[in-house]
Amino acid sequence: ILNVEQSPQSLHVQEGDSTNFTCSFPSSNFYALHWYRWETAKSPEALFVMTLNGDEKKKGRISATLNTKEGYSYLYIKGSQPEDSATYLCASRSGSARQLTFGSGTQLTVLP
Amino acid sequence: DGGITQSPKYLFRKEGQNVTLSCEQNLNHDAMYWYRQDPGQGLRLIYYSQIVNDFQKGDIAEGYSVSREKKESFPLTVTSAQKNPTAFYLCASSNHGKTDTQYFGPGTRLTVL
Repeated sequence: ILNVEQSPQSLHVQEGDSTNFTCSFPSSNFYALHWYRWETAKSPEALFVMTLNGDEKKKGRISATLNTKEGYSYLYIKGSQPEDSATYLCASRSGSARQLTFGSGTQLTVLP
Repeated sequence: DGGITQSPKYLFRKEGQNVTLSCEQNLNHDAMYWYRQDPGQGLRLIYYSQIVNDFQKGDIAEGYSVSREKKESFPLTVTSAQKNPTAFYLCASSNHGKTDTQYFGPGTRLTVL
């Protein structure tokens, strides 16, 4: 079983602050890294999928980077807003396996 | 609208009873998945199916069973052999491809009394 770790477990920031979280995953036999946002009472929603070392993806104020050699990905949120409050999950896929292994998530609360 | 539906949203059962959770998708996805979430833990894979009439055990399959008789449906049965069935259950589906982005249903919260 892959071990995917996310830190911090939870985070409170003020509206307007920028923030970032980390996802670490085994780098051997890496295939893809997914980020999801899971708002309370909703379904997890895909944010990014990255496959190549050095990949950077951006969606509005949210961006992510990938380092497959050292096995980590960062998710950045610029100018956090209360609607960014959610749990952010990362998941790794390795080799020929079809399944994803999820981290336990970072719970972000943006205070107005 | 295209999407994944799970029913019911909340389910209560007595200990020792089997219970089946429904998952339906109209996204025409080949692959479907069942996850379990417990407090403080990530999503853990119970079973997945890459194609109709085929499925594989995930990391925590013991005490669960599935079927995949139709492309759009992937029901999960929580049997009495599952020692700690109270949890939040999420169903997902995806197309085969390099990215395999998974699309999730709203979940079912099962409480065994």
